Amino acid sequence: KAGVTQTPRYLIKTRGQQVTLSCSPISGHRSVSWYQQTPGQGLQFLFEYFSETQRNKGNFPGRFSGRQFSNSRSEMNVSTLELGDSALYLCASSLGLAGSTRSVGQYFGPGTRLTVT
Amino acid sequence: GENVEQHPSTLSVQEGDSAVIKCTYSDSASNYFPWYKQELGKRPQLIIDIRSNVGEKKDQRIAVTLNKTAKHFSLHITETQPEDSAVYFCAASGNEKLTFGTGTRLTIIP
Repeated sequence: KAGVTQTPRYLIKTRGQQVTLSCSPISGHRSVSWYQQTPGQGLQFLFEYFSETQRNKGNFPGRFSGRQFSNSRSEMNVSTLELGDSALYLCASSLGLAGSTRSVGQYFGPGTRLTVT
Repeated sequence: GENVEQHPSTLSVQEGDSAVIKCTYSDSASNYFPWYKQELGKRPQLIIDIRSNVGEKKDQRIAVTLNKTAKHFSLHITETQPEDSAVYFCAASGNEKLTFGTGTRLTIIP
């Protein structure tokens, strides 16, 4: 099976702009999670989507939003970019289990390196 | 919410020796504990995981142990090799939301 893919791989934006990142999960995986990775804060959870619904949310401001399509592909949007949003944005997919709190293995994509100037 | 602490932050081990990385978690509802390996410039890679109903799991040179009472879990790598050099992250989850530790930079000395 093909792994998780993310586009674009690199992005440079200026403060105040907005950006949209895309993630295609492993075939058959219905859950997509997004994480922000920075040297200072490590890996932090943004949100998780399952069957086009946001199922979990981390502690990020409302400028960070996402959505999931019927084919499980997901997009993440960041509006009004700030310098502190510079980071590696990783998505991870898993089978997900409907109506269950049981976790399963998450597999990461290569990430999108966002630089805000 | 969940809080995961990971120690040590850096670890240097002679090739062939064993390495141990330890994590503690705070939320007793967490039931899934994966470990990820991240090499420089690459994505985190799931190397082993354990569920709360299991005390120990092994996969070749890698093993993970879990103590639910004490809320801590550990990664053990035996017969270390140069390709084991990477940053290792532990995580805890109860509902698809992974909370990560701060990472351990493991260096294998030839």
